[in-house]
Amino acid sequence: AQSVTQPDIHITVSEGASLELRCNYSYGATPYLFWYVQSPGQGLQLLLKYFSGDTLVQGIKGFEAEFKRSQSSFNLRKPSVHWSDAAEYFCAVGAWDSSYKLIFGSGTRLLVRP
Amino acid sequence: NAGVTQTPKFQVLKTGQSMTLQCAQDMNHNSMYWYRQDPGMGLRLIYYSASEGTTDKGEVPNGYNVSRLNKREFSLRLESAAPSQTSVYFCASSEKGGRNQPQHFGDGTRLSIL
Repeated sequence: AQSVTQPDIHITVSEGASLELRCNYSYGATPYLFWYVQSPGQGLQLLLKYFSGDTLVQGIKGFEAEFKRSQSSFNLRKPSVHWSDAAEYFCAVGAWDSSYKLIFGSGTRLLVRP
Repeated sequence: NAGVTQTPKFQVLKTGQSMTLQCAQDMNHNSMYWYRQDPGMGLRLIYYSASEGTTDKGEVPNGYNVSRLNKREFSLRLESAAPSQTSVYFCASSEKGGRNQPQHFGDGTRLSIL
């Protein structure tokens, strides 16, 4: 079955601390993986994507993600969180199932303590 | 530099009323999508249009219809609204169909059915 799991519904970190958001995927073919961020009342903005090659990918706003095929994971990281990073983060896999679509995880809401 | 524009941003309907959600993109993209977002469920694909003149059902199409009016516009219609359709609706577009195509999202339409 095709699915994306984000095991953490909420995460709270202090400003300046490091961040790791977890994502596990299940997909039978080569995975095309994405991380999106959604600020309150806004649409989803693409942070980064992984298709092939270097397993550590850099994105916007200082985020990076590491693809680990053996663990079926694509975790998002940031070395130092800013208050403006408070938002909901979605991991997704590009899929084909009678139509092209993104299969999304249920999201992780990030809260940042001052 | 508008990207994907959705109208309206908010709407309240009574059960049984009909409504059309509008979406337009100015990126000359071929493929367009409609998703709904519900708490704890991420985004789920309602309908998809690979190109002008074509539409396909997604994961949750029941109760909805779509029209790909031209390359720019993709509308979603609720013929007889039900409380279960209370949700946030997102339109997205991509340059073409494909699992490796990033999708660009509008800011959403928040729809409440009473």
